[in-house]
Amino acid sequence: DAGVTQSPTHLIKTRGQQVTLRCSPKSGHDTVSWYQQALGQGPQFIFQYYEEEERQRGNFPDRFSGHQFPNYSSELNVNALLLGDSALYLCASSLLGGGTQETQYFGPGTRLLVL
Amino acid sequence: GIQVEQSPPDLILQEGANSTLRCNFSDSVNNLQWFHQNPWGQLINLFYIPSGTKQNGRLSATTVATERYSLLYISSSQTTDSGVYFCAVMINFGNEKLTFGTGTRLTIIP
Repeated sequence: DAGVTQSPTHLIKTRGQQVTLRCSPKSGHDTVSWYQQALGQGPQFIFQYYEEEERQRGNFPDRFSGHQFPNYSSELNVNALLLGDSALYLCASSLLGGGTQETQYFGPGTRLLVL
Repeated sequence: GIQVEQSPPDLILQEGANSTLRCNFSDSVNNLQWFHQNPWGQLINLFYIPSGTKQNGRLSATTVATERYSLLYISSSQTTDSGVYFCAVMINFGNEKLTFGTGTRLTIIP
């Protein structure tokens, strides 16, 4: 049973560029959440996707957008990269199912460095 | 929004020692999880524990929801226990994002 997978593992971009990060949820899960973790801090919630729609969003600008595909995998897109976007981006999957969420499982993350 | 504070922020122990990590939260929660983040950044699930007590090997956790705190106990520490420990909470149905605490950095010295 594969866990949550993310790609790529590392990425270097320059300011102003755009980036796409990818996530495949744990088998049987239908919900994907994205988090940003800056160095020395706890993860911060970006947004959550369920049934191919953005279900909830944290306090992040519109430069951050996402998508969920019919197979439940997800992408995180960041436009017009800023130096401050350098962080570890974590994807978490869970089963929303009957209306409540329990355990969220995290992928290994993508380390993004913006120069 | 809900505030989640963890203490102590840093903890350095000899191998074999026991430790207690605390998580305080400012509002009622319906989901609380403990994670261990290893040096490579992977968040490893330890416990899903919105209330009550659970044990898994050398680790155990207790959440007293009415008093808004949770404790993580690590007994007979090993060097592989080193890393950052986070608690994360979810406040209610329909607002199902995890809010993470400030973390406790644990260093186990051989």
